[in-house]
Amino acid sequence: AQSVTQPDIHITVSEGASLELRCNYSYGATPYLFWYVQSPGQGLQLLLKYFSGDTLVQGIKGFEAEFKRSQSSFNLRKPSVHWSDAAEYFCAVATTSGTYKYIFGTGTRLKVLA
Amino acid sequence: ETGVTQSPTHLIKTRGQQVTLRCSSQSGHNTVSWYQQALGQGPQFIFQYYREEENGRGNFPPRFSGLQFPNYSSELNVNALELDDSALYLCASSLSKGAYEQYFGPGTRLTVT
Repeated sequence: AQSVTQPDIHITVSEGASLELRCNYSYGATPYLFWYVQSPGQGLQLLLKYFSGDTLVQGIKGFEAEFKRSQSSFNLRKPSVHWSDAAEYFCAVATTSGTYKYIFGTGTRLKVLA
Repeated sequence: ETGVTQSPTHLIKTRGQQVTLRCSSQSGHNTVSWYQQALGQGPQFIFQYYREEENGRGNFPPRFSGLQFPNYSSELNVNALELDDSALYLCASSLSKGAYEQYFGPGTRLTVT
């Protein structure tokens, strides 16, 4: 079955510390992967996406993610977290057979300590 | 270029009532997908419309229905509202039903009391 797993429900880091949010997917075909951020009460903002090519992708706000096919992972990273990064982060895979739709993980809530 | 817009922003309804949510797709996009995001969860696919016809449906009951208009805007209708229907409803448009990327609107927050 197609699925996305975000193993960490909550993560707390200190401002200035590095960050890694985990995402594992289960999808039989070539995955098209996305990371979104959602602030409280807001919609989804696209951080970055992976379709093909270089497995390290750069996104907005200093985020990057690395696609590892062997591990079925697409982890999000940031070298130095800012207080404004506190939000919920969602990983998603786009299905490319039948109806093209997104399957989302359950999200990781990031708290940043000053 | 105008992005995806949704109306209303917030809505409060009573259990058993019916509700209609609206979405205007991004210019040039002919496909609209709807997602439900319950509190503390990731968005879940409800259904998709392509050129005014339903093009796939997630695991939602028939009281969730939709429409797409000739200008590719869309409506989500929910009948016989239940408390569990309280959620953020997100609309996303894409260039075509075969496009990998979807562009999300800001969402409509529905509260059912």
